[in-house]
Amino acid sequence: GAGVSQTPSNKVTEKGKYVELRCDPISGHTALYWYRQSLGQGPEFLIYFQGTGAADDSGLPNDRFFAVRPEGSVSTLKIQRTERGDSAVYLCASSGDTGEQFFGPGTRLTVL
Amino acid sequence: AQSVTQPDIHITVSEGASLELRCNYSYGATPYLFWYVQSPGQGLQLLLKYFSGDTLVQGIKGFEAEFKRSQSSFNLRKPSVHWSDAAEYFCAVGNTGGFKTIFGAGTRLFVKA
Repeated sequence: GAGVSQTPSNKVTEKGKYVELRCDPISGHTALYWYRQSLGQGPEFLIYFQGTGAADDSGLPNDRFFAVRPEGSVSTLKIQRTERGDSAVYLCASSGDTGEQFFGPGTRLTVL
Repeated sequence: AQSVTQPDIHITVSEGASLELRCNYSYGATPYLFWYVQSPGQGLQLLLKYFSGDTLVQGIKGFEAEFKRSQSSFNLRKPSVHWSDAAEYFCAVGNTGGFKTIFGAGTRLFVKA
């Protein structure tokens, strides 16, 4: 596609539920990143992939958060047992040879 | 560990006036530095980046930034602000290779007529 896409654009869930957020990177981009942006804050690094492997997952807040990229393209961020504090906009970005990160529009997650 | 400080939460400038947004970073090695802009309803867009070489870098939309190692700063400047520049601006620092990127809290720019 022309840019990074993320689905859904909005997700409302109840505390304790499981959610999956999807990211489709720009075709050919080998690196993929996940960030979380809370209201009034800058994006917070969560994890980045180089190909299929998680090269740095040091930003994942706890073991309720997990991300995969099984074929080196699409990635899914998975959150178990959601908490109200998980409410935020989850941003995905991808980059190619230049290293410039191109961001998607984000998924707004609301945990009730 | 990497960190970024943007001291100004918001700034208001008159249209046509000059602009400087401050950014201070902390990183043990040579940093990769970025400025992004986020407009309401829009995704984050890269304005400019510094990896090495000339410490004054030019970006899109008439923006420039200067890397000052001695001050650990990477301030963003524009000589004449347009109303369409009103947005949130984020400074960010990347580790070697630029992959793990840490963002500042942002500075919201308001432009008055």
